[in-house]
Amino acid sequence: GAGVSQTPSNKVTEKGKYVELRCDPISGHTALYWYRQSLGQGPEFLIYFQGTGAADDSGLPNDRFFAVRPEGSVSTLKIQRTERGDSAVYLCASSLLAGTSTDTQYFGPGTRLTVL
Amino acid sequence: GQQVMQIPQYQHVQEGEDFTTYCNSSTTLSNIQWYKQRPGGHPVFLIQLVKSGEVKKQKRLTFQFGEAKKNSSLHITATQTTDVGTYFCAGPEGDSGAGSYQLTFGKGTKLSVIP
Repeated sequence: GAGVSQTPSNKVTEKGKYVELRCDPISGHTALYWYRQSLGQGPEFLIYFQGTGAADDSGLPNDRFFAVRPEGSVSTLKIQRTERGDSAVYLCASSLLAGTSTDTQYFGPGTRLTVL
Repeated sequence: GQQVMQIPQYQHVQEGEDFTTYCNSSTTLSNIQWYKQRPGGHPVFLIQLVKSGEVKKQKRLTFQFGEAKKNSSLHITATQTTDVGTYFCAGPEGDSGAGSYQLTFGKGTKLSVIP
């Protein structure tokens, strides 16, 4: 079946602009995660959804970052007033069960965000 | 918060040589997961270890979870060019059953294989 998909694959924007990054999880997966990966680093947790609600947003760096998952499937990560330091690959992952540490997370291909 | 460290950061091996990467957590883990990321790709799940002292094998890959559940290793026997990539270990934040769903990743070990 289809894996996690993310759009766009690449996004170039100017400092101060607003961007939206989309994630389509694997069908039937309840849990959805957003991570950010900078060059030479491992993925860094941003936010976790259990169904429609954000169960943990403790990884969001500041209030310019926001994510939604209104129908419990597709999620959108929104970044306001982008800064050059926001440049990174934004990864989305989904897992079948909600809130279990042993559940396998399947990653999408990521969106490479470049802020000029 | 929890920290996960991996060594070495880089490893260059001749094809056919063995390779090992080590992972250490600052806290006890309920489980340890390993991912492989090819150049330009995304992390792909390899395996999960749950029990203290557990050893699992996948063909030429051997994964170990330490007795104290704070460290782990991945060993590749007779590397091939298809093994090229960055290997990450990741552990869930907190204890099992406490809503520990977010993964803390190490920085990874980047493996290069010289043909």
